Amino acid sequence: DIQLTQSPSFLSASVGDRVTITCRASQVISSYLAWYQQRPGKAPKLLISAASTLQSGVPSRFSGTGSGTEFTLTISSLQPEDFATYYCQHLKTYPCTFGQGTKLEIK
Amino acid sequence: EVQLVESGGALVKPGGSLRLSCAASGFTLNVAWVSWVRQAPGKGLEWIGRMKSETGGGTPDYAAPVKGRFTLLRDDSKNTLYLQMRSLKTEDTAVYYCATSYEVYYYSGMDVWGQGTTVTVSS
Repeated sequence: DIQLTQSPSFLSASVGDRVTITCRASQVISSYLAWYQQRPGKAPKLLISAASTLQSGVPSRFSGTGSGTEFTLTISSLQPEDFATYYCQHLKTYPCTFGQGTKLEIK
Repeated sequence: EVQLVESGGALVKPGGSLRLSCAASGFTLNVAWVSWVRQAPGKGLEWIGRMKSETGGGTPDYAAPVKGRFTLLRDDSKNTLYLQMRSLKTEDTAVYYCATSYEVYYYSGMDVWGQGTTVTVSS
């Protein structure tokens, strides 16, 4: 099975900061990677598909890069509503595992 | 409006069975790849299985922790995907979501999610 390792697991930052979350895959997964945001008590929301495609309605401060085994999600200028937990997921083959998550909290 | 609605969550004893439903509206379920994802209390997301679209083969895939205990079944007349769960364990306690790729390719992400249904396995 393909494992995804996110780092960091916990991130404390301030409004206006630029933050980057990394997701590393245990095997090459091309661009079969998605990023999700989850707020407490809510279903996940797709932010980035195919490693770098910003979903409709998602603010342009979010961006995704990477291919192969290393991927990043960057938020260019944190807004109050961005404090949430972020997950990467691969969809190359089943099981379509998720990373363990990165909890982004207000400093 | 494209929507998925889960139902069927309940409190069940270890060793028991339960069937969850994922009803689709606004699109036809059998043209989509639909996954089930669960989240145990305070934990991360866990992909547990998917039903491929008819053109993709129409067969299910399962993650190891549920293979042999959980079964995916689709009822096209009801536009509903079912997750039949047997031999439930306490570690199956979680919120269960169904999700699909509607405006993205199935291998790119899942852009439509249900609201989740809660399964609690406890004596």
